[in-house]
Amino acid sequence: GNSVTQMEGPVTLSEEAFLTINCTYTATGYPSLFWYVQYPGEGLQLLLKATKADDKGSNKGFEATYRKETTSFHLEKGSVQVSDSAVYFCALLTQGGSEKLVFGKGMKLTVNP
Amino acid sequence: EAGVAQSPRYKIIEKRQSVAFWCNPISGHATLYWYQQILGQGPKLLIQFQNNGVVDDSQLPKDRFSAERLKGVDSTLKIQPAKLEDSAVYLCASRLTLRGAPPNVPPSTVYNEQFFGPGTRLTVL
Repeated sequence: GNSVTQMEGPVTLSEEAFLTINCTYTATGYPSLFWYVQYPGEGLQLLLKATKADDKGSNKGFEATYRKETTSFHLEKGSVQVSDSAVYFCALLTQGGSEKLVFGKGMKLTVNP
Repeated sequence: EAGVAQSPRYKIIEKRQSVAFWCNPISGHATLYWYQQILGQGPKLLIQFQNNGVVDDSQLPKDRFSAERLKGVDSTLKIQPAKLEDSAVYLCASRLTLRGAPPNVPPSTVYNEQFFGPGTRLTVL
């Protein structure tokens, strides 16, 4: 079946620290991969995506590379800010029939000044 | 452009009561989704509509949950009767859904983003 496993938190970092959130997936076929972010009190927002192997998604200083050989899509940011405090979800889009998003459990990040 | 609207934002009920949630998708979006997000977990798809038809309701607990999208625009999700384990945030999302794509183009290459509403937080006591 389709599933996403991501690093669980919560994680607390200092401003300007390096961030990595691990994400691996199990899927039938060749899914598209996503990172969503949920800021406090707000809805889910798409942060970045990648649709094929070796694609790199990037947005707001965050990056993630679709690694088919390791079935991974790790999220990285070189220097986090207080405004990056949020919950981050890794997700895949299933193929065939009704396309649907399958999410990981999410990881709460707190960045302190 | 207005986003996905949901109401109410918060609801507290006692077990065995009934509750309904409302979603107004982005104008023109043909596909509508309802997700359940239990605390500490990622969202789980409950039901997917394409216009006013159900595409996937395989994870909807049909003995107590129901949803409709009669005119292919707004949607309501109902729980009757509610249980303690239904306490969660209920998210609605919509998607444009590309029409007229060439038949040999994989859907993932013409992906239209799902836009999420703010959710309704349900507490069942």
